[in-house]
Amino acid sequence: SAVISQKPSRDICQRGTSLTIQCQVDSQVTMMFWYRQQPGQSLTLIATANQGSEATYESGFVIDKFPISRPNLTFSTLTVSNLSPEDSSIYLCSVEFRLGGTEAFFGQGTRLTVV
Amino acid sequence: AQSVAQPEDQVNVAEGNPLTVKCTYSVSGNPYLFWYVQYPNRGLQFLLKYITGDNLVKGSYGFEAEFNKSQTSFHLKKPSALVSDSALYFCAVRRENRDDKIIFGKGTRLHILP
Repeated sequence: SAVISQKPSRDICQRGTSLTIQCQVDSQVTMMFWYRQQPGQSLTLIATANQGSEATYESGFVIDKFPISRPNLTFSTLTVSNLSPEDSSIYLCSVEFRLGGTEAFFGQGTRLTVV
Repeated sequence: AQSVAQPEDQVNVAEGNPLTVKCTYSVSGNPYLFWYVQYPNRGLQFLLKYITGDNLVKGSYGFEAEFNKSQTSFHLKKPSALVSDSALYFCAVRRENRDDKIIFGKGTRLHILP
């Protein structure tokens, strides 16, 4: 398993601003992902964070709105840009080990409220 | 395409009674199946998984799940519910090739009544 620290745990932001969420893992992991969980809904994959290269985005998500960095095998950031109330959600970092494991592990999430 | 169905938005169970949270899946090939739990203001916690072998898998907090290939189901069960089991439960699936993404169900809210 892995210990995943996600910061901040919650934030209230003004519309038009940006929020950067950090995800730190206590061991090197091959795969890191970012999910969005809108109120009362399931998880939607935003993108796969690739170490040393551009993230791979899912349909409906674009880099200008959700820039992602992954400078090494233990750390990633997700920025939610030009915030609107529709961005109010929980954002979750997730990691997977390619070898020896098949399940995903999650951070505690960041609850974003845009006002 | 892969998909997961959790037919119940909410399940209410009296404390001490057995509980079942239903999940059915659709995937081409062999599935990897998972259950996760989400407590309020927390991330998802891994409960258990089915990869291969025994159809009955045991996980954390006394939970277990039964893989039924003919019915394409993976229902979560516990013999005796606790009030502290009240949470949001997600079933998830991926194909045997682990390069595939994990697909999550919409979640089932479990209420254990004292």
